[in-house]
Amino acid sequence: NAGVTQTPKFQVLKTGQSMTLQCAQDMNHNSMYWYRQDPGMGLRLIYYSASEGTTDKGEVPNGYNVSRLNKREFSLRLESAAPSQTSVYFCASNGGGANYEQYFGPGTRLTVT
Amino acid sequence: KQEVTQIPAALSVPEGENLVLNCSFTDSAIYNLQWFRQDPGKGLTSLLLIQSSQREQTSGRLNASLDKSSGRSTLYIAASQPGDSATYLCALSNDYKLSFGAGTTVTVRA
Repeated sequence: NAGVTQTPKFQVLKTGQSMTLQCAQDMNHNSMYWYRQDPGMGLRLIYYSASEGTTDKGEVPNGYNVSRLNKREFSLRLESAAPSQTSVYFCASNGGGANYEQYFGPGTRLTVT
Repeated sequence: KQEVTQIPAALSVPEGENLVLNCSFTDSAIYNLQWFRQDPGKGLTSLLLIQSSQREQTSGRLNASLDKSSGRSTLYIAASQPGDSATYLCALSNDYKLSFGAGTTVTVRA
């Protein structure tokens, strides 16, 4: 039981390049989330998927797109990376609904130069 | 919009001392509150989840309380150990989403 997995662990991009961050969970959870973490700012929600087939914007969605590929997988795409997107990105999942505990992946450290 | 504040931002204590970490929030209409631990360069590990209807939750040396009326939660760690050194974050759920505090970084000195 791997929990929540993310790939890659590290990535360096040049401004304007694109990339997709992958996330998968093996806990049969309904809801999945993408956060970014910046020093001194806590975690901020980028996008979430309450259930398979649905996605919604979070607090900081600009510059990102997401795909809920199936119940297990939720990807985050940067179409044209900017230095302001340098951050640590975390994927999370929970059973679905507000009363469930969230489980986090190990994170992807992204640097945009 | 839910605002979550954790003060202090950093804390250093000698081994054996009890730790008290504070979390305050502005919107009491929450579903639950979670406390997480984050080690440097790592993801978040859930420590305790308190449902909205609960006043506290305990796990081993950890105890978390929730007072919705005052917009506060406190995480107590008894008899701290160097292995407790980490950043502790609180997060509140208003619906499907969590709102996070910026965290308190704890150093336990041997």
